[in-house]
Amino acid sequence: DIQMTQSPSSLSASVGDRITITCRASQSISSYLNWYQQKPGKAPKLLIYAASILQSGVPSRFSGSGSGTDFTLTISSLQPEDFATYYCQQSYSTPALTFGGGTKVEIK
Amino acid sequence: QVQLVESGGGVVQPGRSLRLSCAASGFIFSNYGMHWVRQAPGKGLEWVAVIWYDGSKKYYADSVKGRFTISRDNSKNTLYLQMNSLRAEDTAVYYCARADSFGDYFYFDYWGQGTLVTISS
Repeated sequence: DIQMTQSPSSLSASVGDRITITCRASQSISSYLNWYQQKPGKAPKLLIYAASILQSGVPSRFSGSGSGTDFTLTISSLQPEDFATYYCQQSYSTPALTFGGGTKVEIK
Repeated sequence: QVQLVESGGGVVQPGRSLRLSCAASGFIFSNYGMHWVRQAPGKGLEWVAVIWYDGSKKYYADSVKGRFTISRDNSKNTLYLQMNSLRAEDTAVYYCARADSFGDYFYFDYWGQGTLVTISS
């Protein structure tokens, strides 16, 4: 099974900061990587698929990059509504689309 | 608009059974593979099961294999998860999710609001 490891597990940042979250796969997954945002008590929301393609309606301050085993999610200027938990998901080893452990972004 | 509405959660004793439902609307249900994903309290997301658009194939996480059964009724636009021999570690919010794709790249573009399953004596 492909293991997905996110780092950090949590971070504190201020509005306007640029932040980067990393996701590492236990083996190469090409660009088969998705990112989701989850707010407390809510379902996850798709942000990015195929490592770098922004889902329709997602603000352009979100971006994704990487291929192979190392991926990043960047928020260029953190907004109040961006404080949430972020998950990566591999879609290389289908049909089990496994998730990373999550990164909680908190207000500093 | 696309909607997925789960139901059927509740409190059940260990070893008992429960069936979850996910009612879909706003899209052609029979065109999409569907998944169940769960989230234990305070924990991350765990993929549980998938069923092909026509019900022809089903796959499960090792943690639920042999105990859970995913199914669908395309005439009723409804996805199901039959959960047997429930354990304390099955306690979680269960989400249904629609799988869409961009070429070979699959992702979950719509999720239900989740239904809480609590296993407790």
